[in-house]
Amino acid sequence: SQQGEEDPQALSIQEGENATMNCSYKTSINNLQWYRQNSGRGLVHLILIRSNEREKHSGRLRVTLDTSKKSSSLLITASRAADTASYFCATAFTANDYKLSFGAGTTVTVRA
Amino acid sequence: GAVVSQHPSWVICKSGTSVKIECRSLDFQATTMFWYRQFPKQSLMLMATSNEGSKATYEQGVEKDKFLINHASLTLSTLTVTSAHPEDSSFYICSVKRFGNTEAFFGQGTRLTVV
Repeated sequence: SQQGEEDPQALSIQEGENATMNCSYKTSINNLQWYRQNSGRGLVHLILIRSNEREKHSGRLRVTLDTSKKSSSLLITASRAADTASYFCATAFTANDYKLSFGAGTTVTVRA
Repeated sequence: GAVVSQHPSWVICKSGTSVKIECRSLDFQATTMFWYRQFPKQSLMLMATSNEGSKATYEQGVEKDKFLINHASLTLSTLTVTSAHPEDSSFYICSVKRFGNTEAFFGQGTRLTVV
């Protein structure tokens, strides 16, 4: 079953602006991952943050994790039209958990 | 390059027929593969975990006789939608993980339309 909830469901921004989306989950996790999906395609892994980490960066991406609030955020800075996609968070419950539980996703539209 | 190859990318079939979708791990041997289903504008729902050399593990509510999974080799898992009906129309995606607590690699997905 789905573990995570994401908000907002949809986000429309102007190119160059930042996009922030949030993910909340219900049970303790080992790690949380963010994925991107272009329309009608498979998912691409963006970043993984472990439960003992609070923040990670990768290029224009910044992810935070607050285990006390069971929430994570993904920030995309200086957005580009090519960032238009759906973004999903996914949680793994244990260190060797092969299964991922996905959130509902946030659809981001970046206007040129 | 792609880590996971899924084929076909789209298929249209008639009600009552069966459709087979293939998922190949190109970069590493995968004892475990995952099959997801995604409805339009919705999230991925795990259908089953495909285990090499043994029976697949199905999630609650997923009919194992409807969605047959075969993981005959360390690089190939197949999902067969048997006696397909229009309500089976969906986007099916497979994934593999190199290790347990790392990222997953996804196939490009298969759009199934049953008419």
